[in-house]
Amino acid sequence: QKEVEQNSGPLSVPEGAIASLNCTYSDRGSQSFFWYRQYSGKSPELIMFIYSNGDKEDGRFTAQLNKASQYVSLLIRDSQPSDSATYLCAVVSAGGTSYGKLTFGQGTILTVHP
Amino acid sequence: GAVVSQHPSWVICKSGTSVKIECRSLDFQATTMFWYRQFPKQSLMLMATSNEGSKATYEQGVEKDKFLINHASLTLSTLTVTSAHPEDSSFYICSLDRLYEQYFGPGTRLTVT
Repeated sequence: QKEVEQNSGPLSVPEGAIASLNCTYSDRGSQSFFWYRQYSGKSPELIMFIYSNGDKEDGRFTAQLNKASQYVSLLIRDSQPSDSATYLCAVVSAGGTSYGKLTFGQGTILTVHP
Repeated sequence: GAVVSQHPSWVICKSGTSVKIECRSLDFQATTMFWYRQFPKQSLMLMATSNEGSKATYEQGVEKDKFLINHASLTLSTLTVTSAHPEDSSFYICSLDRLYEQYFGPGTRLTVT
């Protein structure tokens, strides 16, 4: 079983719709959860991080965390063509010596079509 | 502004040669930096943790004698791919964490011919 799994893509949504990206993780002791966006040929850029159960909103983005279900999601409201990218879920596991040791999911390719 | 820089942004080398990639922290002192590798259409995989003034910690399956890491100062970590082969062609990305957020460098694309 992979440590971090994301829903298989690619995901295609029309402009203005809500895009929903999902991620599950295997280490129940995981503490920190991140969503990154990666454009083709570029390095990842942080969208959001979440540590506590519940929702966290930042502009058009909402991260949701449910530690009991070992599930974290990212909602993108009013999707724009510029949101088209690969979205990476990353987790810092319990017992890690540093917040820097991230385990990434395989990524979900999102396409927002006009 | 940018927090992390990498140099070079891309490099092409011949099989058997060595390549050095630099990762610099631009605005604060980083005792720990991280090196990731990303093959085409795959996700990022942590290769090693670079520790200032001490030996790097390598992830399982990563050859420490092939991927030499030096973290001689608080703002610079280097990754040297020794005796590179075509299968080492990849996107190498360094990162550092500050205030519990991780910042990635722009990456170095290595092509070994």
